[in-house]
Amino acid sequence: DTEVTQTPKHLVMGMTNKKSLKCEQHMGHRAMYWYKQKAKKPPELMFVYSYEKLSINESVPSRFSPECPNSSLLNLHLHALQPEDSALYLCASSQVMGSWGDEQFFGPGTRLTVL
Amino acid sequence: QKEVEQNSGPLSVPEGAIASLNCTYSDRGSQSFFWYRQYSGKSPELIMSIYSNGDKEDGRFTAQLNKASQYVSLLIRDSQPSDSATYLCAVSSRKTSYDKVIFGPGTSLSVIP
Repeated sequence: DTEVTQTPKHLVMGMTNKKSLKCEQHMGHRAMYWYKQKAKKPPELMFVYSYEKLSINESVPSRFSPECPNSSLLNLHLHALQPEDSALYLCASSQVMGSWGDEQFFGPGTRLTVL
Repeated sequence: QKEVEQNSGPLSVPEGAIASLNCTYSDRGSQSFFWYRQYSGKSPELIMSIYSNGDKEDGRFTAQLNKASQYVSLLIRDSQPSDSATYLCAVSSRKTSYDKVIFGPGTSLSVIP
């Protein structure tokens, strides 16, 4: 299985809602990533988990809260988002973080719209 | 200077021609280099990785790396309309305590039938 899955595919939420994005991989990868991508821009790193521990937080606002329940799952909890947070949210995984094992494989993404 | 630079395009080539995509990077210590293809509305798909100077071929794709010139390129031979997409160059760059993959802005490729 060489696939990263993400749910939901689309999400519309109000600024007062709480929602969660989910990501799963069964490739035995030990690094998992959350990216945000705006239209016609490259992916922008948000968080990195390495061996289920948060290794990198790229100064993301606290209204985004990541969680890694186990080595296969990654969640992104959303609360009190702003309309400018509307974007494609991408999950990725790699064998390990950094070194020579950092080929990242992306899931299909969640298209988020904040009203 | 931006960390990873690419020509934004659009780059238009006729079907069957060779498409040449270029990327430069600023961190001389970078060790890992990747090319991703992204169709409109879809997620990036890894098509090539390269770690050593020289050429690496995979089917119709050839990645070329020149660390001395801080330059990496992707050649697509026998371009097909299905190759029309945005191509993202990504470079692993050492930060204070970790390696971070940094994406270039992407080059839009259009293959004309």
